Amino acid sequence: GESVGLHLPTLSVQEGDNSIINCAYSNSASDYFIWYKQESGKGPQFIIDIRSNMDKRQGQRVTVLLNKTVKHLSLQIAATQPGDSAVYFCAENPSGTYKYIFGTGTRLKVLA
Amino acid sequence: EAGVTQSPTHLIKTRGQQATLRCSPISGHTSVYWYQQALGLGLQFLLWYDEGEERNRGNFPPRFSGRQFPNYSSELNVNALELEDSALYLCASSLRGTGFNSPLHFGNGTRLTVT
Repeated sequence: GESVGLHLPTLSVQEGDNSIINCAYSNSASDYFIWYKQESGKGPQFIIDIRSNMDKRQGQRVTVLLNKTVKHLSLQIAATQPGDSAVYFCAENPSGTYKYIFGTGTRLKVLA
Repeated sequence: EAGVTQSPTHLIKTRGQQATLRCSPISGHTSVYWYQQALGLGLQFLLWYDEGEERNRGNFPPRFSGRQFPNYSSELNVNALELEDSALYLCASSLRGTGFNSPLHFGNGTRLTVT
């Protein structure tokens, strides 16, 4: 498949600190990107999206940054809370296609 | 508004049997995607249906098949189950299936265990 994961990186953050989760995407033709949160036993939950004509987009406590030059996406979570503990992964959508290519994810652990 | 619903939540089958998984998309969504999420792996694309037609399939054998009904709900069938088919099967729906910047909305999945 297009998304192969051999290791799930973990990010441990103190409660109240900011979290930054990174994603390197694969297709330079991708023009739409999505961040998902997946809690244990649940399906992925949409967090925020961004189109390639933007560099930054903000939501509630979350900010997504897009650097097309180096094909990099990041998700910033402000004032991280215990409920933010989950696996986060990005998805890219190559322009004009049906495809959604998913990253393998990063596990966020919030320390009390 | 109800989200994507999948049934059953859990399914236990033995090797060689067939499994049928069901999905109801968000009302108004015509596209349904199926993904396999095995332990330690990311989401692997299985099938995409839009307007009742199979539009594309991922790199899976033909024993993985499905269909989409006139009400846009969908069914995934896995024949001749193998142990490595054990995974979480996720269904997602979107408003359009043409890649026009529409996010996928996922259900909570069916956990298939093959023994």
